[in-house]
Amino acid sequence: KAGVTQTPRYLIKTRGQQVTLSCSPISGHRSVSWYQQTPGQGLQFLFEYFSETQRNKGNFPGRFSGRQFSNSRSEMNVSTLELGDSALYLCASSLDRFSYEQYFGPGTRLTVT
Amino acid sequence: AQKVTQAQTEISVVEKEDVTLDCVYETRDTTYYLFWYKQPPSGELVFLIRRNSFDEQNEISGRYSWNFQKSTSSFNFTITASQVVDSAVYFCALSEMLRAGNNRKLIWGLGTSLAVNP
Repeated sequence: KAGVTQTPRYLIKTRGQQVTLSCSPISGHRSVSWYQQTPGQGLQFLFEYFSETQRNKGNFPGRFSGRQFSNSRSEMNVSTLELGDSALYLCASSLDRFSYEQYFGPGTRLTVT
Repeated sequence: AQKVTQAQTEISVVEKEDVTLDCVYETRDTTYYLFWYKQPPSGELVFLIRRNSFDEQNEISGRYSWNFQKSTSSFNFTITASQVVDSAVYFCALSEMLRAGNNRKLIWGLGTSLAVNP
């Protein structure tokens, strides 16, 4: 079974731009969560999607948004990029909302200059 | 508030040494789950173990073992006879029990970077 895939793997953007990251969950998995990982803050929960609906949200500004498609693929968007948005963005898929096992993708390394 | 503390930022050992990674957590929940994940240089987080708050039995899986002590709010991870391939960042995480309406989000420690040298 193919794992969680994230594209692109690396991205360099400038301040003020916007970016869209993509995540394809494991086949059959319907829940997708997003995390931001930085050296200073560690891993922080962004949001979770299930059945095309955002179910949970972390403490991030409205510049961070996401969506999920009918095939469970998910995208997250960051608008008006700031230097502090430089991070590794990890996507995790789960079978459903109540499954504790989360399978992580390799992440997208975003650098904002 | 929930919190996970991994006091050891970096650990360096020589191959075949045993090493213990500490994890201390705080929660007001009576039911919760604790996790350990491994993040190798490739970046992908790998699930190692999940333990619920009702089960304080220690667990052993090959060279890995976990010691859960509710009385001290600790969930420590020991690697026996470490190998170079164990070099990675290890994260401890906490989650409340999943019920309808609950937030699945994991609360993560900042991780312990383990370097196993040949």
